Amino acid sequence: ETGVTQTPRHLVMGMTNKKSLKCEQHLGHNAMYWYKQSAKKPLELMFVYSLEERVENNSVPSRFSPECPNSSHLFLHLHTLQPEDSALYLCASSQDLATEAFFGQGTRLTVV
Amino acid sequence: QQQVKQSPQSLIVQKGGISIINCAYENTAFDYFPWYQQFPGKGPALLIAIRPDVSEKKEGRFTISFNKSAKQFSLHIMDSQPGDSATYFCAASRPFSGGYNKLIFGAGTRLAVHP
Repeated sequence: ETGVTQTPRHLVMGMTNKKSLKCEQHLGHNAMYWYKQSAKKPLELMFVYSLEERVENNSVPSRFSPECPNSSHLFLHLHTLQPEDSALYLCASSQDLATEAFFGQGTRLTVV
Repeated sequence: QQQVKQSPQSLIVQKGGISIINCAYENTAFDYFPWYQQFPGKGPALLIAIRPDVSEKKEGRFTISFNKSAKQFSLHIMDSQPGDSATYFCAASRPFSGGYNKLIFGAGTRLAVHP
């Protein structure tokens, strides 16, 4: 495995479900990010972790809960989502919060 | 001030033509301007980037032109090929307190290169 790997690639969940998105990076980076990509909108930064500490939370609703157990893994726990939360969720990593971010392929989330 | 405005939203170019995508920003504190390329089903990948101390950067068929006074930068794809068909995002970043950079993305341009 190389780069940034996200699982699952696709997820359909009901509004009352609880699910988690997983991200794993094999690049030896120490910073990880969650982005939300909606149709015809800019990529929105949700969370930033540096050395497993959350350094930014961009006013994201509490129904999204990130977890970074170590520098290689990042999770996004989801509960009681809304249909408008349907989007592509992208994980990225970088070294020392540097400007170049390497993205995973994303999880396409559909909330029904 | 945090926005990066990108145009056009979509672009159709004939094979061999020049594709031009433009971005504008307001915040003069931005000091790093990358372009990302995204193919369907893939995450964005860094294509080329520039800092404001130069007005142009070229890598193969891809060129960034930067106009600091106008607060604008653009991506030029020379000799466009069907394989260049993708969505292109400009971005800008500046240092934040806490010692990290935060990328602000444009809305994206969907490029289609026709044979």
